[in-house]
Amino acid sequence: QVQLVQSGAEVKKPGASVKVSCKASGYTFNDYHIHWVRQAPGQGLEWMGRINPRNGATNYAQKFQGRVTMTRDTSISTAYMELSRLQSDDTALYYCARIRGGIAYDFDHWGQGSLVTVS
Amino acid sequence: VLAQSPGTLSLSPGERATLSCRASLSVSSNFLAWYQQRPGQPPRLLIYGALTRATGIPDRFSGSGSGTDFTLTISRLEPEDFAVYYCQHTETFGQGTTLEIK
Repeated sequence: QVQLVQSGAEVKKPGASVKVSCKASGYTFNDYHIHWVRQAPGQGLEWMGRINPRNGATNYAQKFQGRVTMTRDTSISTAYMELSRLQSDDTALYYCARIRGGIAYDFDHWGQGSLVTVS
Repeated sequence: VLAQSPGTLSLSPGERATLSCRASLSVSSNFLAWYQQRPGQPPRLLIYGALTRATGIPDRFSGSGSGTDFTLTISRLEPEDFAVYYCQHTETFGQGTTLEIK
């Protein structure tokens, strides 16, 4: 079965960077874009960007341009999201999600979330 | 921008729920999705393409709409349906509707 397993919780100081991993299994990693979505405590969902695992191409939300980097390691079917220059309002649960297929923009499988606390 | 209404909906099990998602500009139905999020869990895809149920989603959930106005309907609420619901169009999510037990 399809699974996305994310790295554990992190506590970072303001100004630091964090790198979250998302290990995929149960499907061909290269065939489905991975997106990153975050959710601040008690708030809604915010799209951050996406990566095409096949070629590493990325698209980022304008809000995070210059501060986010999404990469992947196809040898271990793992996607990464690194966010730099952290501030307190970056405290959130960070999710990776897989598109349903093709050119879809909806997400049929999600990781469990990685809590990043900036304090 | 996707605006969801109401912000909170209070209903009883067995009742019908109607949730609205309104886009500020006309959007393609092909990319309109609905999610359910229960406390402590990631979102769960319910509907994609505005009206197609995702795999394993009960048929009491249905989606409709086009252009700027979309609706998620839950025909007969079960206890597990009380949660937060989000609509999405490509990179944009609505702010969510909380469905609570009356």
